[in-house]
This record gives sequence, structure tokens and C-alpha cells, in this order.
Amino acid sequence: DQQVKQNSPSLSVQEGRISILNCDYTNSMFDYFLWYKKYPAEGPTFLISISSIKDKNEDGRFTVFLNKSAKHLSLHIVPSQPGDSAVYFCAALRKASGTYKYIFGTGTRLKVLA
Amino acid sequence: DTAVSQTPKYLVTQMGNDKSIKCEQNLGHDTMYWYKQDSKKFLKIMFSYNNKELIINETVPNRFSPKSPDKAHLNLHINSLELGDSAVYFCASSPRQISATNEKLFFGSGTQLSVL
Repeated sequence: DQQVKQNSPSLSVQEGRISILNCDYTNSMFDYFLWYKKYPAEGPTFLISISSIKDKNEDGRFTVFLNKSAKHLSLHIVPSQPGDSAVYFCAALRKASGTYKYIFGTGTRLKVLA
Repeated sequence: DTAVSQTPKYLVTQMGNDKSIKCEQNLGHDTMYWYKQDSKKFLKIMFSYNNKELIINETVPNRFSPKSPDKAHLNLHINSLELGDSAVYFCASSPRQISATNEKLFFGSGTQLSVL
């Protein structure tokens, strides 16, 4: 039961261009969506989030867009830098049995080419 | 100074052995977690403790037993290790229990467990 899906396992983008990472979900009851970034041999680190009542959140070079009708969110990185090369996990927060839980996607490996 | 640290980083062991993974956070957080990332890259919650009290216990074999001696530490003991237990185990913490207004997790760097 994969409620959060990242269908592209990898993506390569030229430095300076836009990176667009996509995520689809199946449960319309999710309250919050988040993106985490993971470098090799490190744990995931929080990048940006968006409430389900919003459709856009921006933080510097990073913008997350939420399309509730399509059950789709995307992370835009502009301009992309080589240091952005990492695995990006999409995640959703769901309340179940009185407790919020994370549901993670399987990640998209972004490679930014210099 | 590492915020969430877990040891060991790598653990290679034989089937049937018992092993432990330790986790410590120096962020002053109340809530700690164990996540498992399997071979298909799914990152799934296993357990969560809030102030030493177990609040999330997913469908995990009872060979896995978490222990929280204090709110800064959450250890994971695994009995009778099986091949399918091979995965990366991540410890994480959050200031309080996750809610819609307090959503961030802080992860350790992971423990790569290989069961031979």
C-alpha cells in the first residue's frame, strides 16, 4: 500500500537550470507534505514543507507546489547547483489512531551536472 | 557536535545472533523514533517514544525491542536476526510529538545492518 509515490528514481539536470521533482499521493486525508534531502552516508534532513490548505510554499531557491485535485506535489529548485545533488524524499503526514505518522516515498536521486 | 548520533554505523552479523543499535540526541527533544529503510528504499516507522513512553509500535516482529532509558536515548535490540532484517536503520527525533504544526524530524546518519 504505497500511499506516497515518487515514480522517477533519478533525474539529471544541468547546473543553473531548474530541477523539478515530482510526488503523487493517494490519501486525500494527508495534512502536511514535506521534502527531505539525503546525502550519502547521512540521514535525511528537512528541506521544505507545505500545509494541505496551501498550494505553494517558497524558501529561497526551493519552492513546493501542491495540487490537491491531482493529488500531486512537486519540488522546484532554481537555479540548480552541484551541491543539490542528493536523494530527495517526499513525505506526507497522516493522523491515525490519534498519532501523526510520516509516510515516505522511495526517493528521487538528483544529479546536478557542472 | 552531532545532534542525533547512532552507533554502530555498520553492523555485519550472522543469522540467529542478537544485536543492539544505540541512539542518542543532544537536541533536548522529547520524542525519538526508529525507522527502517529496506532494499526497496521504503523508509518506514517502526517505533516512537515520547518522554520514555512508547507511543507508536508498528507491525514489527517482537524480535525487535526498543528501550528508552531516558528521553535522550533510544536503543534498538534485535533478537535472532534473520536475513530479511538487513536494512538501514535510522534513528530520529523531534521536539515534541509530531503534529500538523510541528512536523520536522531530525535524523541520525543510519546503521547499515547486514545479516549473513
